[in-house]
Amino acid sequence: NAGVTQTPKFRILKIGQSMTLQCTQDMNHNYMYWYRQDPGMGLKLIYYSVGAGITDKGEVPNGYNVSRSTTEDFPLRLELAAPSQTSVYFCACKGDGSNSPLHFGNGTRLTVT
Amino acid sequence: QKEVEQDPGPLSVPEGAIVSLNCTYSNSAFQYFMWYRQYSRKGPELLMYTYSSGNKEDGRFTAQVDKSSKYISLFIRDSQPSDSATYLCAMSATGGFKTIFGAGTRLFVKA
Repeated sequence: NAGVTQTPKFRILKIGQSMTLQCTQDMNHNYMYWYRQDPGMGLKLIYYSVGAGITDKGEVPNGYNVSRSTTEDFPLRLELAAPSQTSVYFCACKGDGSNSPLHFGNGTRLTVT
Repeated sequence: QKEVEQDPGPLSVPEGAIVSLNCTYSNSAFQYFMWYRQYSRKGPELLMYTYSSGNKEDGRFTAQVDKSSKYISLFIRDSQPSDSATYLCAMSATGGFKTIFGAGTRLFVKA
């Protein structure tokens, strides 16, 4: 049981390039999330999904897009990378119920230069 | 004002010390309060969970919630070098599926 798997672990992008951060979960959870973590800033919600085919913006969605075609996968797309998107990105999933915890992947470290 | 305030530290203590980590919040709708622990280059993992006000104890860890003051705490007794990590408080409302995180406090326990 792998939980939440994120790929790649590291990536360096040039300004203006695009890339997709992959996230897959084997916990059969409906809720999935993308967070970014910057030093001293905690976790900021980018996008979330309450089930396949349903996505919505979080706190910091600008510059990102998501899709959710299956329960397992929730990729995050950066179309025109900017230095402000240098961060560590975490994908998470959560079961139904208000008291269900978030299960995180181990993150993707992205640098945009 | 941020919804959740947490001092990012760093906090450095000697082995065996009692550690107190704290968060304040502004949204009175929050009912679920969590502490996540994050080791370097890893994702956060749930450490403690409390519903509404009160205390919860799990081994060397105690979580306290004071809803009247909008203040939550995590106490670590007999701290160990293996407790060195970033501790993030988190909270959510009943029926809500969004979790709001504090900035995280980086803790160093020196042997």
